[in-house]
Amino acid sequence: KQEVTQIPAALSVPEGENLVLNCSFTDSAIYNLQWFRQDPGKGLTSLLLIQSSQREQTSGRLNASLDKSSGRSTLYIAASQPGDSATYLCAVLTGTASKLTFGTGTRLQVTL
Amino acid sequence: GAGVSQSPSNKVTEKGKDVELRCDPISGHTALYWYRQSLGQGLEFLIYFQGNSAPDKSGLPSDRFSAERTGGSVSTLTIQRTQQEDSAVYLCASSLGGGSKAYEQYFGPGTRLTVT
Repeated sequence: KQEVTQIPAALSVPEGENLVLNCSFTDSAIYNLQWFRQDPGKGLTSLLLIQSSQREQTSGRLNASLDKSSGRSTLYIAASQPGDSATYLCAVLTGTASKLTFGTGTRLQVTL
Repeated sequence: GAGVSQSPSNKVTEKGKDVELRCDPISGHTALYWYRQSLGQGLEFLIYFQGNSAPDKSGLPSDRFSAERTGGSVSTLTIQRTQQEDSAVYLCASSLGGGSKAYEQYFGPGTRLTVT
């Protein structure tokens, strides 16, 4: 059974800092990995998708890497801003049902 | 273009009542998913529809839960005889059926269900 873990569970940083969020998964037989952002009381916004054959994806100040063999992914956020405050979720796509297995999330707060 | 939409956004119901939650996927997306997000369990998969294939119901927590997808588009998740532990946010997602980005899932805003 696929299990996804995210570390840290919560993180508070001052504006402008670079930061790294970590995601690990137990079964390396994944199709892809997605990073999502969730604002309080809202749905999920897809940030980055990394296919299993890829090593990283970049979008603006975000960079996600994938090391499938070791079951790890990182989300790097450069020059953090207060608007980045949210919960970040990673999810892996496995199995014939193409269902996502989600991590526990990292709650990020960027302070002024 | 329009994203995934869900209705209602909030639903409060009494224990024992039936509820129906609706999802309108992105036009042209052949795959549709239901997930549930609750405080104790995080985000968990419920059911998956792909085209005309039989749905994968492996995540449904009990036989009180059912879902259908009519005409390959709109989906309804039905919970019968609701219990307090059914209180959660129910999220719907859709994705394309083919291509290199086929499996990127796009989520709706969710329906917050409260069972009193």
